[in-house]
Amino acid sequence: GAVVSQHPSWVICKSGTSVKIECRSLDFQATTMFWYRQFPKQSLMLMATSNEGSKATYEQGVEKDKFLINHASLTLSTLTVTSAHPEDSSFYICSARGQGRWTEAFFGQGTRLTVV
Amino acid sequence: QQQVKQSPQSLIVQKGGISIINCAYENTAFDYFPWYQQFPGKGPALLIAIRPDVSEKKEGRFTISFNKSAKQFSLHIMDSQPGDSATYFCAARGRGTASKLTFGTGTRLQVTL
Repeated sequence: GAVVSQHPSWVICKSGTSVKIECRSLDFQATTMFWYRQFPKQSLMLMATSNEGSKATYEQGVEKDKFLINHASLTLSTLTVTSAHPEDSSFYICSARGQGRWTEAFFGQGTRLTVV
Repeated sequence: QQQVKQSPQSLIVQKGGISIINCAYENTAFDYFPWYQQFPGKGPALLIAIRPDVSEKKEGRFTISFNKSAKQFSLHIMDSQPGDSATYFCAARGRGTASKLTFGTGTRLQVTL
């Protein structure tokens, strides 16, 4: 399958700082990227959907000023957690999908964020 | 109407046995049904997927059975192996490139020796 690279795999940051997570599609053009958050032993919770060159669409309850998403190119999307707090600690996962009704969505390896 | 209900929450199967995970959906607009496998600390990986015009799809030891009228689909893992121990998520998606996946709650599978 296609490769989606997410970086970093884990990050520890101090409370009040911002953290940027990158998601790259390595061998296909990702017209749509999705960002998820996953708590331990729970399912994936969609945070936002972004299309290249457009503003992201956030799910209800997700603060768009706190979780900044940029999808500037067909191969790169970034999630910036601004002014992080301990409650933002979680596993963040990106997913990328190309065009077409039957195209698969491929997932990155996830980023474990710990805010101390 | 957007929910996908998944059961069981956890499953213990002996090596060589059959693991069966079930999902049900309400939204008739869903037209793509994938299953994902996730190991601890990793992102989900696509295992197998089915479209609603097919009642069964098999890839190796993994089979999806799909019942459109009942709005149910299931994953069967034949000859389960300890390496299959992971969390499995069913999902469903509507039409459109930007359509989002709706995930089930997940099933933690443990295959014992």
